[in-house]
Amino acid sequence: AQSVAQPEDQVNVAEGNPLTVKCTYSVSGNPYLFWYVQYPNRGLQFLLKYITGDNLVKGSYGFEAEFNKSQTSFHLKKPSALVSDSALYFCAVRVISGSARQLTFGSGTQLTVLP
Amino acid sequence: DTGVSQNPRHKITKRGQNVTFRCDPISEHNRLYWYRQTLGQGPEFLTYFQNEAQLEKSRLLSDRFSAERPKGSFSTLEIQRTEQGDSAMYLCASSLSSGYSYNEQFFGPGTRLTVL
Repeated sequence: AQSVAQPEDQVNVAEGNPLTVKCTYSVSGNPYLFWYVQYPNRGLQFLLKYITGDNLVKGSYGFEAEFNKSQTSFHLKKPSALVSDSALYFCAVRVISGSARQLTFGSGTQLTVLP
Repeated sequence: DTGVSQNPRHKITKRGQNVTFRCDPISEHNRLYWYRQTLGQGPEFLTYFQNEAQLEKSRLLSDRFSAERPKGSFSTLEIQRTEQGDSAMYLCASSLSSGYSYNEQFFGPGTRLTVL
């Protein structure tokens, strides 16, 4: 079975500082990894994905994530946080092989960027 | 707006009533997914369609839940004899399959169900 852990329910960071939102995963095969963001009363918006290739993935709004196979991690990062980045962030995983098509999501991390 | 749309956005019902939600995916997307999200949790997979075929169902999907995608376009999710535990946000997502690549899912705004 595949699973995702987001160890921090809440992350606070000052505007202009770098931010990191942590994600670790557990799968029996090679993973597809995703980050989504959810603003209040809105659906999830896709940020970025890792399928294969370069371990550093760049996505929307200046976000990036680094895939680390040995640590089974896929942390989300941004060099300089904005107040508008404040939202709920979800990491998700799917195995590459097999028939399962669904994503397994973490429980989410609430990011608050303080002005 | 060419994104995923869901109707209604909010539904309040009494325990024991039946409810039906609709999802209209992005027009060229052949895969459609239903998820359920409760407060403080990430979305949980319910079921998935490729075109009109329902290919996977989660064990979360009890006999009271049924989903259809009759013409491979829009989909409906029906909950019969609703229970208070069914109160949640129901999310629909769609994606485009293309060979062995895996494309991201695009989510709709969700339908918030409250069962009194």
